[in-house]
Amino acid sequence: NAGVMQNPRHLVRRRGQEARLRCSPMKGHSHVYWYRQLPEEGLKFMVYLQKENIIDESGMPKERFSAEFPKEGPSILRIQQVVRGDSAAYFCASSPLGDEAFFGQGTRLTVV
Amino acid sequence: AQSVTQPDIHITVSEGASLELRCNYSYGATPYLFWYVQSPGQGLQLLLKYFSGDTLVQGIKGFEAEFKRSQSSFNLRKPSVHWSDAAEYFCAVMNSGGSNYKLTFGKGTLLTVNP
Repeated sequence: NAGVMQNPRHLVRRRGQEARLRCSPMKGHSHVYWYRQLPEEGLKFMVYLQKENIIDESGMPKERFSAEFPKEGPSILRIQQVVRGDSAAYFCASSPLGDEAFFGQGTRLTVV
Repeated sequence: AQSVTQPDIHITVSEGASLELRCNYSYGATPYLFWYVQSPGQGLQLLLKYFSGDTLVQGIKGFEAEFKRSQSSFNLRKPSVHWSDAAEYFCAVMNSGGSNYKLTFGKGTLLTVNP
């Protein structure tokens, strides 16, 4: 059983471009979480999704950020019109029932 | 709102020495508690977790943690540190009620191991 797969591992975008981060949860896991790790700030919750539903997006910035977890395919975290402050490591975690999260390797986004 | 405090930003120990990483949480009821480890450029690996029952929990790689309700603490310990334990350690809390399982993390403790 493969772990949580995130791609790309590294992503470079120019200011104003769009960034798409993908997360394939572990087999059988229907709960997906996205976290952002900024330098010296630890990990911050962004959004919690189940298949086709956003359960909690209280940690998502109000603009430019969106997430989805379609019936088929990976979960996508989308950042439109990226700015330098979006540079961070973005981690996806999945869970079978919600109580124990398994993390992916992360996507390190650099905005130049 | 729940919160987690890891008072030590950076700890240095010698290989073979004992280790204790501190974690204090703020939460209305008994939370679910976790310790994760992150090596440079990598994701997070779960070391151990506490949901209920025995307050001393054993984890992987020889780590253990003790839940102390009276002190709102969940400190991580290891009797003898190995050089490969050098990493960043995160304590996290999860709401034990309801159906939202998001984690609230502390800011982490960076562990350096001297030979």
